[in-house]
Amino acid sequence: RKEVEQDPGPFNVPEGATVAFNCTYSNSASQSFFWYRQDCRKEPKLLMSVYSSGNEDGRFTAQLNRASQYISLLIRDSKLSDSATYLCVVNRWLMDTGRRALTFGSGTRLQVQP
Amino acid sequence: DGGITQSPKYLFRKEGQNVTLSCEQNLNHDAMYWYRQDPGQGLRLIYYSQIVNDFQKGDIAEGYSVSREKKESFPLTVTSAQKNPTAFYLCASSITGQGGLNTEAFFGQGTRLTVV
Repeated sequence: RKEVEQDPGPFNVPEGATVAFNCTYSNSASQSFFWYRQDCRKEPKLLMSVYSSGNEDGRFTAQLNRASQYISLLIRDSKLSDSATYLCVVNRWLMDTGRRALTFGSGTRLQVQP
Repeated sequence: DGGITQSPKYLFRKEGQNVTLSCEQNLNHDAMYWYRQDPGQGLRLIYYSQIVNDFQKGDIAEGYSVSREKKESFPLTVTSAQKNPTAFYLCASSITGQGGLNTEAFFGQGTRLTVV
């Protein structure tokens, strides 16, 4: 089982639609969660951090559910410019090293259509 | 300007050659990472370093080596032992906070390595 799993998509939605992505993680000791956005052939960039209480930034809302070990990203009123791949990131505990490292999911591709 | 710089942007390697990818940051971050990304795939962790002179293998370290002699620099060598090295390589850095928690990572623009 992968440490961080995402539905690869693609999600094809019309402009103005609301779309939600989920991401599950396997290590219950994980702390610090993020959503990144990656445009084609570019480096990932931080979209938002995810807090236990949930957080919102404009049209974007992130939620964390520790009991079920998943995080979610909700995008409202989708724009054409939202088309990208969205990566879920977990700061997981690597048991064999006793260290933490940022681990990325494989990403969910979103295509917003006019 | 503070940031993280990778070079070169494109790199071509003949089979059997070792190549070294450069990663430099002036953000004063303790932690640095190397990831590999294949087309249509997510990022897979190769190596990471939480402090100078210390680094750990990630999920796909075989065929790669790193060093962390300076806080600012974390070069990655792709050796001839790496059987399928053609990929997009991304270097990142982050602050290591309380309890070893890493803050969000900042990425370089990546190096596209092609074996010819």
